[in-house]
Amino acid sequence: ELKVEQNPLFLSMQEGKNYTIYCNYSTTSDRLYWYRQDPGKSLESLFVLLSNGAVKQEGRLMASLDTKARLSTLHITAAVHDLSATYFCAAQETSGSRLTFGEGTQLTVNP
Amino acid sequence: NAGVTQTPKFRVLKTGQSMTLLCAQDMNHEYMYWYRQDPGMGLRLIHYSVGEGTTAKGEVPDGYNVSRLKKQNFLLGLESAAPSQTSVYFCASSPGRKDQPQHFGDGTRLSIL
Repeated sequence: ELKVEQNPLFLSMQEGKNYTIYCNYSTTSDRLYWYRQDPGKSLESLFVLLSNGAVKQEGRLMASLDTKARLSTLHITAAVHDLSATYFCAAQETSGSRLTFGEGTQLTVNP
Repeated sequence: NAGVTQTPKFRVLKTGQSMTLLCAQDMNHEYMYWYRQDPGMGLRLIHYSVGEGTTAKGEVPDGYNVSRLKKQNFLLGLESAAPSQTSVYFCASSPGRKDQPQHFGDGTRLSIL
């Protein structure tokens, strides 16, 4: 059974600072997804990572995947208040069609 | 382009009542999913479908039933609602290709009294 763990679960940071959110998964997976959720809203897709060493960047967010370590990271550079949200990673088993989500990281960026 | 539409957006039920949540997608996606989201637990998969006429159990299927009679619709039923089913329910769809993420609806906030 695939399990996905994120840390930290809560993150409070100042504007302008850098930080990384970690996503570990328990079994073989060749696909890792990052989503953003604003309070009371739906989930918005941020990144799709499909191979070992994959790196994708969008604005101040950069995601990477290390399939050998079963680890994905979401790096935040020079945080701004608009990045405040809950971020979820989700992994899918190689032969399956189901996503398993992490618990989410609630990010608050303070002025 | 509406994407994934969930109906209703809010509902309050009494214990023992039944209801059906409707999910409709206009992207011609093969796969559809129902999740529930509870505080501190992320999203948990209830049931899913990999094509019209098919359904399969997810992580937390007990107390729910689903049907996929048409490709664009995926219905989630609660036969006898219980307070433990108070949650936010999200529907999602995907084309089934691993390079394409799941697309989510806006959610249904369901309270069982």
